[in-house]
Amino acid sequence: ETGVTQTPRHLVMGMTNKKSLKCEQHLGHNAMYWYKQSAKKPLELMFVYNFKEQTENNSVPSRFSPECPNSSHLFLHLHTLQPEDSALYLCASSQDHTGGEKLFFGSGTQLSVL
Amino acid sequence: AQKITQTQPGMFVQEKEAVTLDCTYDTSDPSYGLFWYKQPSSGEMIFLIYQGSYDQQNATEGRYSLNFQKARKSANLVISASQLGDSAMYFCAMREDSNYQLIWGAGTKLIIKP
Repeated sequence: ETGVTQTPRHLVMGMTNKKSLKCEQHLGHNAMYWYKQSAKKPLELMFVYNFKEQTENNSVPSRFSPECPNSSHLFLHLHTLQPEDSALYLCASSQDHTGGEKLFFGSGTQLSVL
Repeated sequence: AQKITQTQPGMFVQEKEAVTLDCTYDTSDPSYGLFWYKQPSSGEMIFLIYQGSYDQQNATEGRYSLNFQKARKSANLVISASQLGDSAMYFCAMREDSNYQLIWGAGTKLIIKP
């Protein structure tokens, strides 16, 4: 089993739908991250959780709502998204959020908003 | 201003040749780290190599080496004896010790030709 698992791999949703992305890490890490990857743009950090506490929220619109019930699981709840939210959403984890540790990524969820 | 610049959007390289992927960075922080990640078509970001700003020697990891030129603020990735499996997107990233967030470049798409 890979270290960081994301589901679903692909998601198509309408602008009025509500859906959730799930991320699970089996590495015993304490920090988890959500990134947005749009075509031809650098990765954008969305949220950071360290020991289940949110430590970063990079001015992400409220239609994205993260949840971290424990150090192994991270969710991204989506509602009333816009077409420009279509992107690859990557989850990552690290030992902790001191920045000195490398990140371990999942394979991402490719989201299409119609 | 961009803090991480990858000037090569795409590169074609013959199999078994060495390849250099360019990365320049901009920071006034005296302490920072530089990372390279690989992203194959599967989507998962894979950590390749790390260089700390105070490291005296260039980092090496198997076929990967980092050509760190501090005065020029460049951190080029060198892949020796390229293989077909090296075809992927490659991202350079920087972490300033004053800010734990990784800053990413836009990436270089590398295609290895048989």
